[in-house]
Amino acid sequence: DSGVTQTPKHLITATGQRVTLRCSPRSGDLSVYWYQQSLDQGLQFLIQYYNGEERAKGNILERFSAQQFPDLHSELNLSSLELGDSALYFCASSTLANGGSEAFFGQGTRLTVV
Amino acid sequence: DQQVKQNSPSLSVQEGRISILNCDYTNSMFDYFLWYKKYPAEGPTFLISISSIKDKNEDGRFTVFLNKSAKHLSLHIVPSQPGDSAVYFCAASAFGNQFYFGTGTSLTVIP
Repeated sequence: DSGVTQTPKHLITATGQRVTLRCSPRSGDLSVYWYQQSLDQGLQFLIQYYNGEERAKGNILERFSAQQFPDLHSELNLSSLELGDSALYFCASSTLANGGSEAFFGQGTRLTVV
Repeated sequence: DQQVKQNSPSLSVQEGRISILNCDYTNSMFDYFLWYKKYPAEGPTFLISISSIKDKNEDGRFTVFLNKSAKHLSLHIVPSQPGDSAVYFCAASAFGNQFYFGTGTSLTVIP
């Protein structure tokens, strides 16, 4: 158990809908990262938050947004969903923003858009 | 642009032998490198890391080597065990920013 909790584990929704994925980081971790893993693809970085502030942005679509709350949990919002958004979405957390620290991953949310 | 590359999608090794997984990177600003192991339907699990100030880090059966001039790192598993069969991802970061992941190498250890 990595200590990172993601809910829900599975989500099936229709095209055009909006969903929210939730992540609770390990106790004490201030950094939260979101990654997308599509079929047979590597882990694509979406966005990073550190202590409530956006720190880095990757290949995140404009239809997607995220935030980190004062209690440090994070939510990834996906809207106007398309079939191609079907993927595993991972959240990870780490202690430091300035390097030298590994990230611990949750078990992921499998999103299926039909 | 893929900044971290794992050019071998798969690798098969006999139990007890050495497994060598390779990773190349293009960004010379990367200062921290990690290896993750991933089983199906699970999140990646941290395995071992190395800072750019070192060229080797060892943890039990796992050793990571870093060659900064070649922008290359490798993970050695000795001896390999069937339970090591998984997908291995290398990752790199600069100044504590996001981790860039390779596409993974699927290791199969044959009993």
